[in-house]
Amino acid sequence: AQSVSQHNHHVILSEAASLELGCNYSYGGTVNLFWYVQYPGQHLQLLLKYFSGDPLVKGIKGFEAEFIKSKFSFNLRKPSVQWSDTAEYFCAVNTYSGNTPLVFGKGTRLSVIA
Amino acid sequence: IAGITQAPTSQILAAGRRMTLRCTQDMRHNAMYWYRQDLGLGLRLIHYSNTAGTTGKGEVPDGYSVSRANTDDFPLTLASAVPSQTSVYFCASKSLAGGDTQYFGPGTRLTVL
Repeated sequence: AQSVSQHNHHVILSEAASLELGCNYSYGGTVNLFWYVQYPGQHLQLLLKYFSGDPLVKGIKGFEAEFIKSKFSFNLRKPSVQWSDTAEYFCAVNTYSGNTPLVFGKGTRLSVIA
Repeated sequence: IAGITQAPTSQILAAGRRMTLRCTQDMRHNAMYWYRQDLGLGLRLIHYSNTAGTTGKGEVPDGYSVSRANTDDFPLTLASAVPSQTSVYFCASKSLAGGDTQYFGPGTRLTVL
């Protein structure tokens, strides 16, 4: 069975600080990887996804993530966070065929202070 | 295109009552899912359906049932609600064309007293 670990439960950063949120998954086969964001009071929205090809994936709002197969990791990064990035971030995985539901990590809450 | 709609937006329910959460998508996606979101636990899959007429159990199916009579609708029923079912419920859908993105509805906030 697949599982996803997100190392940080709550991250607090000042505006303009750099962000890296850790995500590791457990699955022996080929996977699709996703980062979703949930702004306060809203539903989940896709930030970026990796299916194949270039392991460095660029998403919306200046976010990027790097797939490192040897480390089973898919960490999310942003060079300079803004107050509007305050949200909860979820890493998720499903099998390469795409026929399985997404398995989510427990989420990381990001608070950006001015 | 509305995407995924859920109803109601929120509900307060007495324990022991029956409740159906509605979910409708207009994207003709094959697969639909129900998750519950709880603080510190992330999203956990309750039930899913890969195509109309079929359903499957997720990680936390007990106390919930689903049906998939057609492509668009995927209602979630709590036969006899308990306080531990207080949560935010998200419906999601996706095409099964290899690796396609899963889209989420706006959620239903359910409180069981």
